[in-house]
Amino acid sequence: AQTVTQSQPEMSVQEAETVTLSCTYDTSESDYYLFWYKQPPSRQMILVIRQEAYKQQNATENRFSVNFQKAAKSFSLKISDSQLGDAAMYFCAYLLYNQGGKLIFGQGTELSVKP
Amino acid sequence: DAGVTQSPTHLIKTRGQHVTLRCSPISGHKSVSWYQQVLGQGPQFIFQYYEKEERGRGNFPDRFSARQFPNYSSELNVNALLLGDSALYLCASSWDRRNTEAFFGQGTRLTVV
Repeated sequence: AQTVTQSQPEMSVQEAETVTLSCTYDTSESDYYLFWYKQPPSRQMILVIRQEAYKQQNATENRFSVNFQKAAKSFSLKISDSQLGDAAMYFCAYLLYNQGGKLIFGQGTELSVKP
Repeated sequence: DAGVTQSPTHLIKTRGQHVTLRCSPISGHKSVSWYQQVLGQGPQFIFQYYEKEERGRGNFPDRFSARQFPNYSSELNVNALLLGDSALYLCASSWDRRNTEAFFGQGTRLTVV
């Protein structure tokens, strides 16, 4: 069964510093998608970044980048130049698209940003 | 452009009652998925509908049902509410059946008392 594990329930970073959030997953599939979503106190799940498994190049979106290690089944998120608005719950998710487009989420990492 | 909209934003129901939650996808999106997020946990998949047909179902009891209308909006129905059904219910829409880029609404907070 596919599972997603986030081993860091909480993380803290100083404003303008860099932080890395960890995620590991388990799958027997060779082609899939991985995502990082941000959920601020407003509750809306916001798509941060997406990685397609067949692409070797790590995805980047402005200050957000991933380190995708397919063999190790690892998918970490790096946030550079952290801002106060980055404070939120971050969820790693795996897309099981051969079963009805089902997203499997990790337990989440709560990120706080100190001024 | 409007994002995914859900209604109502908050709801309080009594055990045993029935509830209907509504979702309007982003214009042009044909896929709608529903998730349940219990406090302190990640969302759990309930259903996916694409082109008005059920394409996926999570591990939820038959008390949970859903449908998608010709305009691609969707309803989630829950019968015989239990205290454990208290959660944030999230709707997501995507342009494709595989949900390769899902956008979420702000959710409906359901409290069962």
